[in-house]
Amino acid sequence: NAGVTQTPKFRVLKTGQSMTLLCAQDMNHEYMYWYRQDPGMGLRLIHYSVGEGTTAKGEVPDGYNVSRLKKQNFLLGLESAAPSQTSVYFCASRRSNQPQHFGDGTRLSIL
Amino acid sequence: RKEVEQDPGPFNVPEGATVAFNCTYSNSASQSFFWYRQDCRKEPKLLMSVYSSGNEDGRFTAQLNRASQYISLLIRDSKLSDSATYLCAVSRSNDYKLSFGAGTTVTVRA
Repeated sequence: NAGVTQTPKFRVLKTGQSMTLLCAQDMNHEYMYWYRQDPGMGLRLIHYSVGEGTTAKGEVPDGYNVSRLKKQNFLLGLESAAPSQTSVYFCASRRSNQPQHFGDGTRLSIL
Repeated sequence: RKEVEQDPGPFNVPEGATVAFNCTYSNSASQSFFWYRQDCRKEPKLLMSVYSSGNEDGRFTAQLNRASQYISLLIRDSKLSDSATYLCAVSRSNDYKLSFGAGTTVTVRA
């Protein structure tokens, strides 16, 4: 049982490049989330999804887009990467009123 | 005011000591409460859910005080391996999102 799997684990980008982070969960969870975590800032919610085909903005959505075409996958896209998006990105999933389960993170550096 | 607030610490304690810290939440409609543990540069991992009557898991005890709107975590007989950042998380009934505190850092020294 893999739980929540994020790919890639590490990536270095140049400013202006684009990329997609993939999150996959095998627990049949309805809700999925993308967070970023910066030193001293705690977890900040970027976007989330309450079901297949639906997405919503979190507290820091600018510069990111998401898609949830399949229930088990939640993709986070950076269309034009900026140095301010250097961070650790965590995906999570859950059922209603249950705790969240996190992936092990993607460390993204933008030069 | 942030929805969930924690004392960032750090709490520096010797092995074997007891350490306790709180997490306050602002929304009285909050219904689900959790403690997570996060090691440096790793993902948060669920430590325990917090139930109305309080609950214990080994050396860890969680309490909920609805009147004062806070949850607490107590660690007895601290081990070096307990050194981590502890995040609290809160959600309202049928809310899609968990609100996380910024974390309390605990360092256990030999």
